[in-house]
Amino acid sequence: DGGITQSPKYLFRKEGQNVTLSCEQNLNHDAMYWYRQDPGQGLRLIYYSQIVNDFQKGDIAEGYSVSREKKESFPLTVTSAQKNPTAFYLCASSVGTQRYEQYFGPGTRLTVT
Amino acid sequence: KNQVEQSPQSLIILEGKNCTLQCNYTVSPFSNLRWYKQDTGRGPVSLTIMTFSENTKSNGRYTATLDADTKQSSLHITASQLSDSASYICVVSGGSSNTGKLIFGQGTTLQVKP
Repeated sequence: DGGITQSPKYLFRKEGQNVTLSCEQNLNHDAMYWYRQDPGQGLRLIYYSQIVNDFQKGDIAEGYSVSREKKESFPLTVTSAQKNPTAFYLCASSVGTQRYEQYFGPGTRLTVT
Repeated sequence: KNQVEQSPQSLIILEGKNCTLQCNYTVSPFSNLRWYKQDTGRGPVSLTIMTFSENTKSNGRYTATLDADTKQSSLHITASQLSDSASYICVVSGGSSNTGKLIFGQGTTLQVKP
């Protein structure tokens, strides 16, 4: 898991509620990423940030929002607009662009009922 | 379309045996190819990363090969252990984006039985 922490490990929410997942890294990496993992599918990129105060949409950004106010932190908010939010969420970081090695956090399993 | 296909989808082997996992990709242009190991409920951990010029790379009992001409990679596990039970994910960096966008395979689930 390197120097990336995600909290909480498990999260339960009622439908219609927004929820924020935490991701912190102490690797001094410039770039951070959020992925979603569903059974039988490859990881899908939600959002990424290559520098503080800047972030870009990934392949499945709808219903999600992020912020990057500090280099160490990249929280992900799952909004009520996300149609199917129950999934395993992974945060990662790298020294630069996606060409570089990415280090993953331990993940947060979100269940929305 | 940029894709990464892994086979088999799942595999069961006996402890001590060897196995080989396959990865075919259609990503172009190509930057690098990575293999990750993901234990159930955990984040992926990097095993190897190979660029165009590298055709083999080892990490302990794990050996990855890359044939950039045929766009194929394999991950060979020698003398398997129970702790090798995990999902193995092939990831290719490349595509038209200059950021080296990652394209993930769906993974191969390996179960090592005693």
